[in-house]
Amino acid sequence: NAGVTQTPKFRILKIGQSMTLQCTQDMNHNYMYWYRQDPGMGLKLIYYSVGAGITDKGEVPNGYNVSRSTTEDFPLRLELAAPSQTSVYFCASSFWNAEAFFGQGTRLTVV
Amino acid sequence: KNEVEQSPQNLTAQEGEFITINCSYSVGISALHWLQQHPGGGIVSLFMLSSGKKKHGRLIATINIQEKHSSLHITASHPRDSAVYICAPLGQGGSEKLVFGKGTKLTVNP
Repeated sequence: NAGVTQTPKFRILKIGQSMTLQCTQDMNHNYMYWYRQDPGMGLKLIYYSVGAGITDKGEVPNGYNVSRSTTEDFPLRLELAAPSQTSVYFCASSFWNAEAFFGQGTRLTVV
Repeated sequence: KNEVEQSPQNLTAQEGEFITINCSYSVGISALHWLQQHPGGGIVSLFMLSSGKKKHGRLIATINIQEKHSSLHITASHPRDSAVYICAPLGQGGSEKLVFGKGTKLTVNP
């Protein structure tokens, strides 16, 4: 099992560019989450999904969009990147009330 | 507002010491995760518990749902335990969000 796979691992974006962070899990988990972690800070929930076709906002959703067309995939879209979106992004998945599994993270720099 | 408080924020210990990290939350939950984030950034799940106590090796996690409090204990601490430990209550107030505490940075010196 690959677990939770995030791509890319690193990316540099220019202000105003767009990109999609990919997240795929092969454990058939229904719950998937996107977090951002700013330097020296804790993880903040951006968006989450409880199943295919269902997404909801977390603590810091502004500037991001998500979709969940399949159980396996939960891409995070950044439109019009801003320096404030420089962060490390983590994707996670789980069943309800069960262990959570995390991707390796994507380090994004917006310049 | 759902709140998660961890204490202490930073903890320095000598190898072999018994470590306790505390987590308190403000509204009812269905379960709580304890996670470990290593200096390289990777995040690993240590425990998920909804009642009582769980033990894995030198790690012990307890939770008191009524008192809205959980603790993570490390016995015979070792420098390789140095990491950030994070609690994440699940299902606060009926929500399906998994929200993280700010974490406790543990440094174990040889």
